[in-house]
Amino acid sequence: AQKITQTQPGMFVQEKEAVTLDCTYDTSDQSYGLFWYKQPSSGEMIFLIYQGSYDEQNATEGRYSLNFQKARKSANLVISASQLGDSAMYFCAMRESMDSNYQLIWGAGTKLIIKP
Amino acid sequence: ETGVTQTPRHLVMGMTNKKSLKCEQHLGHNAMYWYKQSAKKPLELMFVYNFKEQTENNSVPSRFSPECPNSSHLFLHLHTLQPEDSALYLCASSQGTNPTEAFFGQGTRLTVV
Repeated sequence: AQKITQTQPGMFVQEKEAVTLDCTYDTSDQSYGLFWYKQPSSGEMIFLIYQGSYDEQNATEGRYSLNFQKARKSANLVISASQLGDSAMYFCAMRESMDSNYQLIWGAGTKLIIKP
Repeated sequence: ETGVTQTPRHLVMGMTNKKSLKCEQHLGHNAMYWYKQSAKKPLELMFVYNFKEQTENNSVPSRFSPECPNSSHLFLHLHTLQPEDSALYLCASSQGTNPTEAFFGQGTRLTVV
């Protein structure tokens, strides 16, 4: 079974609109971390935001926020006031506490295209 | 400029060739990683090095051979690859192996012909 599910392979959004990228996860751990990365066409993975499973507040970083719903096991990324430069692949990933190493479990990604 | 530099950016090689991918980080991190990114598949962790010691090898075929001479450099030596090995190979580094973020290079786009 997939541990990280991103159900939207692609999305088109009008510039300046808000966009929500879906991510659901599956783990039996009580302590885990959830990450979002952005991958522009240049290739590098850019860290955007992190949410720990025990964090009570939803994580925010500038225009990025993570809508963390623990009971539903979802960790959706919200980008406010989208910009043309937001066009990229977006990956959700999870680190389970049982891993002794930095083992991230990755989703298949969502391709976001911002339209002018 | 991400602080993690990978060379070459693009590589085309035949199945009988031997080549190496290079990764360099100037962030003072002590952990480095190789990932494989194939089209329409989740990112796959290949190798993890912590303080120059290999701590993870995720059942990677022996035609991929990593080398970590120091905490700043990581190599991936390639020999007798198959066409299905064509992918984007990403290097990453982090401070410790349990951080809240890792820094990635721009990757090497490898095509095996």
